[in-house]
Amino acid sequence: ETGVTQTPRHLVMGMTNKKSLKCEQHLGHNAMYWYKQSAKKPLELMFVYSLEERVENNSVPSRFSPECPNSSHLFLHLHTLQPEDSALYLCASSQDYGQGRGQGDTQYFGPGTRLTVL
Amino acid sequence: QKEVEQDPGPLSVPEGAIVSLNCTYSNSAFQYFMWYRQYSRKGPELLMYTYSSGNKEDGRFTAQVDKSSKYISLFIRDSQPSDSATYLCAMRKVWGAQKLVFGQGTRLTINP
Repeated sequence: ETGVTQTPRHLVMGMTNKKSLKCEQHLGHNAMYWYKQSAKKPLELMFVYSLEERVENNSVPSRFSPECPNSSHLFLHLHTLQPEDSALYLCASSQDYGQGRGQGDTQYFGPGTRLTVL
Repeated sequence: QKEVEQDPGPLSVPEGAIVSLNCTYSNSAFQYFMWYRQYSRKGPELLMYTYSSGNKEDGRFTAQVDKSSKYISLFIRDSQPSDSATYLCAMRKVWGAQKLVFGQGTRLTINP
């Protein structure tokens, strides 16, 4: 439960606001992820960082800007969002990324930030 | 066509029943298969992890992979109300893009 933490847990913002989501992992992992979870849709991978380098950027609009200052912290900076961006934003971490070594890539998720854009 | 298909449910069964949850997939390159459980207002937690075809058992849970049919299943025996959650299947390839591809999730309720 405390391996991956996310703050805030709930966020309501207007379309002109700027806010940031924070994720911290206490597992000593090398890879961190941002996912978007919308109702009735599969989890959508947004960004992946491995050893603090961005390795995946899945056609995410520029109003979402990730930052990974070190291997334990990951941020998602939000600006000029749209109502359709309202969703649960999940952070995850794994020991490795892209090593093909089986469970070393197992992802552990945080509790998520429930974002509502008005 | 979606890479991974999962019936979203909802599925409601009485306590003690055997539950069967399933996913189908289209990409034969998937080799690692996972089941995550997500309680309301929580993040997904890994429940079962299997590689290639076969069965894996962990307590009341059994994961089954049939690569020839591109079909995976999760069985829950002696289901309990505490098993009520959304169950997500996920899978990935061995080589190349390592990202997990998730199913939509099946919402399960076990009625006392």
